[in-house]
Amino acid sequence: DGGITQSPKYLFRKEGQNVTLSCEQNLNHDAMYWYRQDPGQGLRLIYYSQIVNDFQKGDIAEGYSVSREKKESFPLTVTSAQKNPTAFYLCASSILGLGLGYTFGSGTRLTVV
Amino acid sequence: AQTVTQSQPEMSVQEAETVTLSCTYDTSESDYYLFWYKQPPSRQMILVIRQEAYKQQNATENRFSVNFQKAAKSFSLKISDSQLGDAAMYFCAYREMYSGGGADGLTFGKGTHLIIQP
Repeated sequence: DGGITQSPKYLFRKEGQNVTLSCEQNLNHDAMYWYRQDPGQGLRLIYYSQIVNDFQKGDIAEGYSVSREKKESFPLTVTSAQKNPTAFYLCASSILGLGLGYTFGSGTRLTVV
Repeated sequence: AQTVTQSQPEMSVQEAETVTLSCTYDTSESDYYLFWYKQPPSRQMILVIRQEAYKQQNATENRFSVNFQKAAKSFSLKISDSQLGDAAMYFCAYREMYSGGGADGLTFGKGTHLIIQP
């Protein structure tokens, strides 16, 4: 079945560490997105990519980095520069140009310990 | 920048009753898309309904329907015959029509927590 796979489901990070969240899709979608979800804040866009080897900053990109070396994969690295990384992270993908909604992964819960 | 406002942080409804969730948005565009997403306790985001702004007819999906008022920039979701499985966070979202080559991404409201009373 086609879909988006995020891993791991839960991730714990020590202060000062970088961690990478995985996002893989087999839907042949062009665009992929990373959102952060905090209680009472809704979903906020971190980064998005519309094509391989290209990506754009969203509203809250500071402290995060991404890569898009393959169409199917869009990993997110939470760097030590992100001062408040504890949150729920959602990856999504979509077809461009058709105004369709996104397909979301099941999310990763990141906690700083 | 577009903004999406959901003024009801929490709503409660009796099972089998009807409930309406409110959403307003701000945009200078004339063509765009609007969505309602459901996020149950599993936290999986599920698309409930989609509306194209250039269509005057309100979208419906089984027990879910919208009241789209373009001039008022309002996009409310009506859930009829509420069921226990409808309990979730509901997010309203906006997307520009022309997403290539520039800013892209869904803009979400902060959500409404819907409680279903048995």
